[in-house]
Amino acid sequence: DIQMTQSPSTLSASVGDRVTITCRASQSISSWLAWYQQKPGKAPKLLIYKASSLESGVPSRFSGSGSGTEFTLTINSLQPDDFATYYCQQYNTFRTFGQGTKVEIK
Amino acid sequence: EVQLVESGGGLVQPGGSLRLSCAASGFTFSSFTMNWVRQAPGKGLEWVSYISSSSSRIYYADSVKGRFTISRDNAKNSLYLQMNSLRAEDTAVYYCAREYTQCSGGSCHSFGYFDYWGQGTLVTVSP
Repeated sequence: DIQMTQSPSTLSASVGDRVTITCRASQSISSWLAWYQQKPGKAPKLLIYKASSLESGVPSRFSGSGSGTEFTLTINSLQPDDFATYYCQQYNTFRTFGQGTKVEIK
Repeated sequence: EVQLVESGGGLVQPGGSLRLSCAASGFTFSSFTMNWVRQAPGKGLEWVSYISSSSSRIYYADSVKGRFTISRDNAKNSLYLQMNSLRAEDTAVYYCAREYTQCSGGSCHSFGYFDYWGQGTLVTVSP
């Protein structure tokens, strides 16, 4: 099975900061990676697919990069609405989520 | 508007059974691969099961294999999860999730990521 490891688990940041979250796969998944945002009590929301493609309607301050085993989600100029938990998900073989990264207010 | 509405959650004793349903609307359900994803209280997301549009391909996470059964009824636009031999560690919010799919020339291809999710239904396994 493919394992997905996110870092950090928690990230403290301020409005306007640039934030980067890393996701590593236990084996190559090419670019078959998605990123989701989840707020408390709500279902996850798709942000990025195929490692770097922005889902329609998602603000352009979100971007994704990487391929193979290492991927990043970057949020430029963090906004109040962006404080949430973020998950990566591989879909190269079955489906696996990372353990999540909580972005909290500094 | 795409809608996925889960139901069937509740409190069940260890060893018991429960059947979850997901009612789909706003899209051609029979063309889409569907999944169940769960989230234990205060924990992360865990993929549970996958079913292709025609039910020809079905997969399970190791943690539920042999105990859970995914199925669908395309005529009723519904997805199901039959959960047997439930354990305390199965306590979670269960989401149904649609895979992004593109259709062309009468055939459809799902891409593996989830573009729509339901609101979730809580399953609590406790004596």
